[in-house]
Amino acid sequence: AQTVTQSQPEMSVQEAETVTLSCTYDTSESDYYLFWYKQPPSRQMILVIRQEAYKQQNATENRFSVNFQKAAKSFSLKISDSQLGDAAMYFCAYRSSFQGGSEKLVFGKGTKLTVNP
Amino acid sequence: GAVVSQHPSWVICKSGTSVKIECRSLDFQATTMFWYRQFPKQSLMLMATSNEGSKATYEQGVEKDKFLINHASLTLSTLTVTSAHPEDSSFYICSASKGTIGSPLHFGNGTRLTVT
Repeated sequence: AQTVTQSQPEMSVQEAETVTLSCTYDTSESDYYLFWYKQPPSRQMILVIRQEAYKQQNATENRFSVNFQKAAKSFSLKISDSQLGDAAMYFCAYRSSFQGGSEKLVFGKGTKLTVNP
Repeated sequence: GAVVSQHPSWVICKSGTSVKIECRSLDFQATTMFWYRQFPKQSLMLMATSNEGSKATYEQGVEKDKFLINHASLTLSTLTVTSAHPEDSSFYICSASKGTIGSPLHFGNGTRLTVT
């Protein structure tokens, strides 16, 4: 079974600075998808970024980018120019990609990000 | 696109009663829907996976007779908490898949259930 580990329960960053959230995972599959979701106080789960394991290029979405190291099974999220609205719980998630595999997301325990003005 | 509506947002019920939570995909057909439970300051725990027209698949440790899931159409799944008890109080979130491999799941806003 796949597992996702987020080793940082809490992180803080100054507004306008850069912060990196860590995520590692364990799988025997060669092809899969990785996601970062954000959960603000409203509890709504918001997709931040998505990475396909067969792509070597790291995904980017505006101020959000990932450092995907497949061999190390690492998938960190970098937030640049942090804003107050970035404060939230961030969850790393894994999803199988092969036909017949489970579509379910396996979540890490989350990292609470605080942005200080 | 890809909006998932969950209703109600919050509900308070008395111990012993049943509560139904609805999850609707508003602008797409959801072949698969997932129900998660989230305790305060914790991650999402998958309860069950439901596919339209078939019985739900429950995760280990989840009582299927207590948490009844029905996925009657490609846009609607319901979770019924039967004979609710205070320990069932939690935040329940549904998510829906379009069925495309690797597509992200789209989440509802969640339901805060309080059993008194």
